[in-house]
Amino acid sequence: EPEVTQTPSHQVTQMGQEVILRCVPISNHLYFYWYRQILGQKVEFLVSFYNNEISEKSEIFDDQFSVERPDGSNFTLKIRSTKLEDSAMYFCASSTWGGELFFGEGSRLTVL
Amino acid sequence: KNEVEQSPQNLTAQEGEFITINCSYSVGISALHWLQQHPGGGIVSLFMLSSGKKKHGRLIATINIQEKHSSLHITASHPRDSAVYICAVPRSSGSARQLTFGSGTQLTVLP
Repeated sequence: EPEVTQTPSHQVTQMGQEVILRCVPISNHLYFYWYRQILGQKVEFLVSFYNNEISEKSEIFDDQFSVERPDGSNFTLKIRSTKLEDSAMYFCASSTWGGELFFGEGSRLTVL
Repeated sequence: KNEVEQSPQNLTAQEGEFITINCSYSVGISALHWLQQHPGGGIVSLFMLSSGKKKHGRLIATINIQEKHSSLHITASHPRDSAVYICAVPRSSGSARQLTFGSGTQLTVLP
């Protein structure tokens, strides 16, 4: 069964460092998403991406965040200068138009 | 902005019991999602529905658009059903892809 894969599964970084989280969406999907979940809290939408551009973003997705589809398979989330409050589980997801979301297993980011 | 309320927050059941988890939202939507979050943290989509009822194995999801309410039922519950069940809806009527998530229902099924 096709799946969304994310790397790394866990990253520890120092405050102020840049972090890139990587995702390989399902190959025939056209919509890509990043969500985050701070420990013990709700899942939150960050951004959706279609046709090589951001289609929607939340208030959380400020100038410190960026997304990119650098080639035909990868979808990345970059945090330019990490803060302690960026510590969370980050989930990538993909879908067809109007279809169900398929989530990756998540990347746990710990900022020290 | 859509507000999502799930109930109950926690639910403990004996194996074999019929389970119901409820979700209410405040703004009319195009579709509602039911998700399952495993103890390890991974998220799986169970259902996406915009009307009526859907069934997959022992899981049944219903939605009442007029009442802005959905239920997830699990028949013949099993310990492997233990997980957090999350309801998610579009943030607003014009924002199908920006989802707002409920707080989740922690289900524990005892053998």
